Amino acid sequence: ETGVTQSPTHLIKTRGQQVTLRCSSQSGHNTVSWYQQALGQGPQFIFQYYREEENGRGNFPPRFSGLQFPNYSSELNVNALELDDSALYLCASSPQTGDILEAFFGQGTRLTVV
Amino acid sequence: ILNVEQSPQSLHVQEGDSTNFTCSFPSSNFYALHWYRWETAKSPEALFVMTLNGDEKKKGRISATLNTKEGYSYLYIKGSQPEDSATYLCAHLSGNTGKLIFGQGTTLQVKP
Repeated sequence: ETGVTQSPTHLIKTRGQQVTLRCSSQSGHNTVSWYQQALGQGPQFIFQYYREEENGRGNFPPRFSGLQFPNYSSELNVNALELDDSALYLCASSPQTGDILEAFFGQGTRLTVV
Repeated sequence: ILNVEQSPQSLHVQEGDSTNFTCSFPSSNFYALHWYRWETAKSPEALFVMTLNGDEKKKGRISATLNTKEGYSYLYIKGSQPEDSATYLCAHLSGNTGKLIFGQGTTLQVKP
C-alpha cells in the first residue's frame, strides 16, 4: 500500500462535460503530480503542485487544471472533455519537490469519455 | 535518445527462468532513474531509485544496474515466479524539474 488513494476508480462522462478527479496524498507529502496514461503508452506528466501552487506543467492544454489543499488532498479538473481524454489518470505524492527521489502512486481513475 | 524507451514491450517466460529488461534514457542532464512494478488494478510500486553511474541495487530476486554515461538501465529478475507477472516501468528524472518521464513499460507474464 502506498498510502495514496484516488476517487472515483472508474468514471464515464460525455464529450463536452467537465470532470473532477480526486487524490488523497500521504500525510506530510507537500508535492503532488498528476499523470495521464493512454492505452499502450507510459504515463505522461500533466502537472505538479507544491504547497498549493502549480510547480511545472507538461504538454497539456489549459482545460486541464488542478488544485491542492492544505489537508494533502488534490484535484484534477478537466473541462470540455474530448474523446481522447479517455485514459487512466494517476496521482503521485512526494515528500518534497524538485528532486523527487520518492513518488508514491495511487491506483488511478479510469476515465471514459463517450 | 530523446525519450525513455523500454524493451522488450512484452515478455513471456516459464517459471524459474531468469529475465532482464532494458530502459534507455537521455544521458544529458541526468538526475535519477526510477523503476516501478505495476500489477493490474493496483498502484505502481516503487522498486528502485538510482542516481549514481554504476549503481547496482537489489531487492530479493530483482536487481537493477545503471549506466548514466550511455543512458541505459537493466532490470534483472532471477528465477521468475508467477507473482512477478506485472508491467515494469522505468522513469527518468531530468534535472531538477520533479517531472518523471516514463517509458511505455515491459509487460512480463510468467507461466507456472
